[in-house]
Amino acid sequence: SQTIHQWPATLVQPVGSPLSLECTVEGTSNPNLYWYRQAAGRGLQLLFYSVGIGQISSEVPQNLSASRPQDRQFILSSKKLLLSDSGFYLCAWSASKEQYFGPGTRLTVT
Amino acid sequence: QQQVKQSPQSLIVQKGGISIINCAYENTAFDYFPWYQQFPGKGPALLIAIRPDVSEKKEGRFTISFNKSAKQFSLHIMDSQPGDSATYFCAAGTGGTSYGKLTFGQGTILTVHP
Repeated sequence: SQTIHQWPATLVQPVGSPLSLECTVEGTSNPNLYWYRQAAGRGLQLLFYSVGIGQISSEVPQNLSASRPQDRQFILSSKKLLLSDSGFYLCAWSASKEQYFGPGTRLTVT
Repeated sequence: QQQVKQSPQSLIVQKGGISIINCAYENTAFDYFPWYQQFPGKGPALLIAIRPDVSEKKEGRFTISFNKSAKQFSLHIMDSQPGDSATYFCAAGTGGTSYGKLTFGQGTILTVHP
């Protein structure tokens, strides 16, 4: 069966510091991968998606970037965090239409 | 055109009652309509999904009703239980070059009182 992991589970970072969140998927090959941000416990905003290694599409211009160095690894990064980057970050994968989410990372920028 | 509008924003139901959440869309290219359930601090979990070639799909106490002409779909939770208290999201997606991307509604916070 397929499993999706995210780490860390929680993170507190000062403004201006770098960020690296990691997502890995097990049990499937060549999945589509997605990064979402959820603010205030509501609304899912799609940030990036990837259909293959090194292929990244950005949905929203922002302070973040994404990379896919391996087939089942998706990384969300920032060089300098802003207060507005706080939120719940979710990684998801799909092989067809069904999309499955990871457990999320709670990021607080102070 | 890409929006999915969800209502109500919040819903309070007594145990044993029926919870109904509605969604409407504009893009007629959407051909996949899932519902997700999210508990606090957790990632959303796929609950049930429907395609536009059927008008209703039932899985246990959860039913999706789909009205293609009205471009609306809804989630019905029968015999609602306190354990159903969560945030529910509807979504819509297309195949082809959309790469499985989904457009989400804004969510409904469901509270089921014992």
